[in-house]
Amino acid sequence: QPVLTQPPSSSASPGESARLTCTLPSDINVGSSNIYWYQQKPGSPPKYLLYYYSDSDQGQGSGVPSRFSGSKDASANTGILLISGLQSEDEADYFCMIWPSNALGVFGGGTKLTVL
Amino acid sequence: QVQLVQSGAELKMPGASVKVSCKASGYSFHNYGISWVRQAPGQGLEWLGWISAYNGHRNYAQKIQDRVTITTDRSTSTAYMEMRSLTSSDTAVYYCGRVVEIPGTLGWPGRLDPWGQGTLVTVSS
Repeated sequence: QPVLTQPPSSSASPGESARLTCTLPSDINVGSSNIYWYQQKPGSPPKYLLYYYSDSDQGQGSGVPSRFSGSKDASANTGILLISGLQSEDEADYFCMIWPSNALGVFGGGTKLTVL
Repeated sequence: QVQLVQSGAELKMPGASVKVSCKASGYSFHNYGISWVRQAPGQGLEWLGWISAYNGHRNYAQKIQDRVTITTDRSTSTAYMEMRSLTSSDTAVYYCGRVVEIPGTLGWPGRLDPWGQGTLVTVSS
């Protein structure tokens, strides 16, 4: 059972925005965590998209469009991946990941994004 | 370019062991960690463990820590993941990923980038 909670599915139309969430357990503070996001398309390995810690501490993967961005909702202890200007090629599974203080990595269960 | 190339698919009997390799190229192997992740059919990603380039320390997921060993061979820039006492629930695609340790943090792990192409391990009698 994943420690990080992601909605199993999400959908949006081309040109719209998709907001994918990753909720951390109550014993891990999102404010103290780097949130890493990965994209996986069928039959391919995951691809690193970006990480988000704060507005001044974030990083984009090589070649990843600026349409992909990260943020946090501290009140909900949640990391967020925002994809703006959705394109059909964005249809994929998206996984969040953190490295808790014990340095044992953990993934969310993944969200399947459908571009309608 | 930076690349991780994994060994080919494996078919193993229950109770056997498997050793998957991950050969790195295009970067200084000793400056980056390696992590292993698996994905059962139709399922999500499960983190298995990693080895630090900073101090050689290994961490494993508690669920499989007694059955898995991650090693590296710097002379060939290759990482290995060995899993023992296989059962059908170990059937999955196994991925290696380069761990970019965060600068200034004494080797704290960061992003996995890039990933190997994956190795299908099937456990069946």
